Amino acid sequence: SQQGEEDPQALSIQEGENATMNCSYKTSINNLQWYRQNSGRGLVHLILIRSNEREKHSGRLRVTLDTSKKSSSLLITASRAADTASYFCATDASTNAGKSTFGDGTTLTVKP
Amino acid sequence: EAQVTQNPRYLITVTGKKLTVTCSQNMNHEYMSWYRQDPGLGLRQIYYSMNVEVTDKGDVPEGYKVSRKEKRNFPLILESPSPNQTSLYFCASSLKYQETQYFGPGTRLLVL
Repeated sequence: SQQGEEDPQALSIQEGENATMNCSYKTSINNLQWYRQNSGRGLVHLILIRSNEREKHSGRLRVTLDTSKKSSSLLITASRAADTASYFCATDASTNAGKSTFGDGTTLTVKP
Repeated sequence: EAQVTQNPRYLITVTGKKLTVTCSQNMNHEYMSWYRQDPGLGLRQIYYSMNVEVTDKGDVPEGYKVSRKEKRNFPLILESPSPNQTSLYFCASSLKYQETQYFGPGTRLLVL
């Protein structure tokens, strides 16, 4: 299975609510990144968090990383309809230099 | 404008007819990578390149070839396409490995 696995697979919320999605991975990593994809288009980078960081913020986004549990979470606060998209975590392993592994993604639907 | 371009964007072909999908970036990035995305799944890495003349297999390299003769270009070659290679393909680049990846718009390939 993939190095990164997102949970839940799908999430539906109302505008204004917060959305939390989780990512778990299996091996040691140097960093973890979150990307967003709108309906079959190219992925857009959201946040990169390094293995020695525990939390990072960017606007309405908050990412946490727990290397002891091999997990990360992405929180989108005060969600908007425009946040509707698929969200993927990607890990760059500390071994196997060059390999980048994506999870299967969480599909977020924000209802107006 | 800094970007990753892919051509063609859409391609319908028949089994066994060799094809090349081009990828070019204008950001002087060292690292480039090819991914495929199948319905409901995340991205799976096909091949990556850490720098010019350095390429290596990702998780799903069977049936594909790549080359990196120049820093800006990283073509994906399907010598003898088969229907199971029908997919959405993304090229990505980053300044170095483990940095933010910038994605191209994708190439939709249908092999009949």
